[in-house]
Amino acid sequence: QVQLKESGPGLVQPSETLSLTCTVSGFSLTSYSVSWVRQPSGKGPEWMGRMWYDGDTAYNSALKSRLSISRDTSKNQVFLKMNSLQTDDTGTYYCTRDDGGPGYWGQGVMVTVSS
Amino acid sequence: DIQMTQSPSFLSASVGDRVTINCKASQNINKYLNWYQQKLGEAPKRLIYNTNSLQTGIPSRFSGSGSGTDYTLTISSLQPEDVATYFCQQYNSWWTFGGGTKLELK
Repeated sequence: QVQLKESGPGLVQPSETLSLTCTVSGFSLTSYSVSWVRQPSGKGPEWMGRMWYDGDTAYNSALKSRLSISRDTSKNQVFLKMNSLQTDDTGTYYCTRDDGGPGYWGQGVMVTVSS
Repeated sequence: DIQMTQSPSFLSASVGDRVTINCKASQNINKYLNWYQQKLGEAPKRLIYNTNSLQTGIPSRFSGSGSGTDYTLTISSLQPEDVATYFCQQYNSWWTFGGGTKLELK
């Protein structure tokens, strides 16, 4: 069955870089696109960016200058890197499979930006 | 960017009540609209896709409608397990989500 699982550090220092990994199973990254979505506590989700099935990328214009998404198809993994983190980047980060909007979600990883 | 405005942000209802949640887009989104349910500590789960199509396994008491800029999620008879936060999401132009409606039992 389709599964996605996020991994990465739970605590990041302000101004540092966040690195997250999404490991997928049950589908191919060359057939489906994968997006990153984040959600501050008590607020609505925010789309961050997408790794298209063909290897192209797309980013939310508000985050584009700080964000990079890449993949390793041999390992079934999609990576997120975001630099210059601030306290308002605190929240839960999800990877999702694109099915006309996010059809499948990982369990999420809570990231806190704090010194 | 397309903005999604949900109302109300908080809703209290009794078991058996008919519940309606509204979502308004800042421009026409051509029915490219999903609804999600999120329970505490869990990832969102899609209930409705493409405005009015029920996701497999979702009870038929959930339904969606709308067009243009205005969309609605209806729960025909509220059950205790429906306590959650609900989000709308458009995919006409990239993705944006509503701010959420927190539904509790009266």
